[in-house]
Amino acid sequence: DAGITQSPRHKVTETGTPVTLRCHQTENHRYMYWYRQDPGHGLRLIHYSYGVKDTDKGEVSDGYSVSRSKTEDFLLTLESATSSQTSVYFCAISESGQGFAVLYNEQFFGPGTRLTVL
Amino acid sequence: GENVEQHPSTLSVQEGDSAVIKCTYSDSASNYFPWYKQELGKGPQLIIDIRSNVGEKKDQRIAVTLNKTAKHFSLHITETQPEDSAVYFCAASTPHSGGGADGLTFGKGTHLIIQP
Repeated sequence: DAGITQSPRHKVTETGTPVTLRCHQTENHRYMYWYRQDPGHGLRLIHYSYGVKDTDKGEVSDGYSVSRSKTEDFLLTLESATSSQTSVYFCAISESGQGFAVLYNEQFFGPGTRLTVL
Repeated sequence: GENVEQHPSTLSVQEGDSAVIKCTYSDSASNYFPWYKQELGKGPQLIIDIRSNVGEKKDQRIAVTLNKTAKHFSLHITETQPEDSAVYFCAASTPHSGGGADGLTFGKGTHLIIQP
């Protein structure tokens, strides 16, 4: 298994409180991603990072911010949690490679964080 | 942006039979198509992938085919076993203009049930 840990693994919080989720990798991969998984929606990209201090928005970025000050850590912050942010959050890592002149993007996922916002 | 459709949402097959899950994508620039298996309470696990310069790839009981013209790709599992029961996700990835790639766009998943 890829060396990815997420913390906390479970969290219950109240509406309006700030929440930070942490993803830590030991693979020294350049790319890191945050996804959320909800029934009926599959996995959707929130934000991603293509290097230290380099981040970009994904499909469902509203209400979320991220930071990456070190290669190994990627933080996801909910500034003011809402009930609609109740979900399972997955971190993924990737070292974009090149084969036969085609860029590819193997991503490996962490174990997830189950967040409940009451 | 990319849109990935996956069918069926639930698939029940007898142990030993084959299972096929199909996906379509919308962005002709997408060039990488992985398949993930997710067991209850765990993160998605990459089981096989295919790149746009290849039409078919096989790994033991699992195979994936890609039709770039029709923009669809499929997962084939032969000789299914009880441990194949899980949720399977297809995904597509588009190269990033600055190098590397954006995140994956996922289908909504197929719950595969292997009946003993």
